[in-house]
Amino acid sequence: GDSVTQKEGLVTLTEGLPVMLNCTYQTIYSNAFLFWYVHYLNESPRLLLKSSTDNKRTEHQGFHATLHKSSSSFHLQKSSAQLSDSALYYCALTTITGNTGKLIFGLGTTLQVQP
Amino acid sequence: EAAVTQSPRSKVAVTGGKVTLSCHQTNNHDYMYWYRQDTGHGLRLIHYSYVADSTEKGDIPDGYKASRPSQENFSLILELASLSQTAVYFCASRGGWGNERLFFGHGTKLSVL
Repeated sequence: GDSVTQKEGLVTLTEGLPVMLNCTYQTIYSNAFLFWYVHYLNESPRLLLKSSTDNKRTEHQGFHATLHKSSSSFHLQKSSAQLSDSALYYCALTTITGNTGKLIFGLGTTLQVQP
Repeated sequence: EAAVTQSPRSKVAVTGGKVTLSCHQTNNHDYMYWYRQDTGHGLRLIHYSYVADSTEKGDIPDGYKASRPSQENFSLILELASLSQTAVYFCASRGGWGNERLFFGHGTKLSVL
């Protein structure tokens, strides 16, 4: 079945350094939609980025990601980490398979930004 | 902003007891989901639904039932709660294709003792 892999469980960075959180996925379907959700402590998870277009960069709130179908990747990047970026980040996948709309998440990567 | 309301916000249950978690959305969304969140396991899909009166099994359905009596309401039922079901449960909804953004509730913290 479909799967999402986030290899890093915890990423610790110093403020001002670049951020890169890795996400790879597996699916037999060509119409993959990839997402990044961010979960701040004591809040609900919310959408950060989404893409279904191959090789197109998508940006929001200083973060960006590019879906590369050739390598099945959708890595999240930011040029300069801020303290307020500390949160749990999930990569997620859904595909158009009939009308069921199953959406699955990776294990998540906790980003800790230190002063 | 789309609204998804979960109740209760937290619950303590006894092993072997029945637990019902409720979710209500006012977004007019077709799709609804139940996930559980555990440290080290991320968000795992339990059950989901894309139309009223129908539910689908997710990746970890064992020990859980789901009910979608109307478009707005989606319940998760633990008939015989077990210690291993202690977790935070999130309900979410989304629209149809072209509108894939998930809207989450605030979560229900369930402790089974």
